[in-house]
Amino acid sequence: SQKIEQNSEALNIQEGKTATLTCNYTNYSPAYLQWYRQDPGRGPVFLLLIRENEKEKRKERLKVTFDTTLKQSLFHITASQPADSATYLCALIMNTGFQKLVFGTGTRLLVSP
Amino acid sequence: DAEITQSPRHKITETGRQVTLACHQTWNHNNMFWYRQDLGHGLRLIHYSYGVQDTNKGEVSDGYSVSRSNTEDLPLTLESAASSQTSVYFCASSPKTSGGYNEQFFGPGTRLTVL
Repeated sequence: SQKIEQNSEALNIQEGKTATLTCNYTNYSPAYLQWYRQDPGRGPVFLLLIRENEKEKRKERLKVTFDTTLKQSLFHITASQPADSATYLCALIMNTGFQKLVFGTGTRLLVSP
Repeated sequence: DAEITQSPRHKITETGRQVTLACHQTWNHNNMFWYRQDLGHGLRLIHYSYGVQDTNKGEVSDGYSVSRSNTEDLPLTLESAASSQTSVYFCASSPKTSGGYNEQFFGPGTRLTVL
């Protein structure tokens, strides 16, 4: 069966450390992968997109990697801040199914001062 | 500023009633989507539309319908509400491009409770 797995347990880290979130998938062949941030009571907000032929993408303190052999994406937040506390969702886009996203369940990140 | 709005933000209804959730976007996006979000399942696609008069079923479309009569709106109708449809519903939109990978812009969500 097709699955997208993100850590269901919250990730707790200290301010200033690097947070690393994992997105693993099985029986999918995504052409693209996106990461979104979701705050309580709000809709998801787009952060980054990475293509299947890209190994790494960066935006300010954010970095995403995409390993199609391992079927895994890692999402890093460097120098984390309490304001980074939120739930982070990964979403796959297939070559077929134009514009349709398949979401993981998300990982909650808690950054303590 | 362009935005995407949903109404109502909260709704309580009874089993068997018809319910319509509104979604309105001023981005002038061709693509619009409806998702539901439940604990343990993440966001699941209900219906989507790539333009006026176009609608398509998503992963969990049973019991739901949509219509697209203009670019700005994609109302979601629950024909006969069931307790299993208690959830948080999100509308999203994205521009039409050839790449097929644009970010989606999400509304604030509607929390629906079916008693």
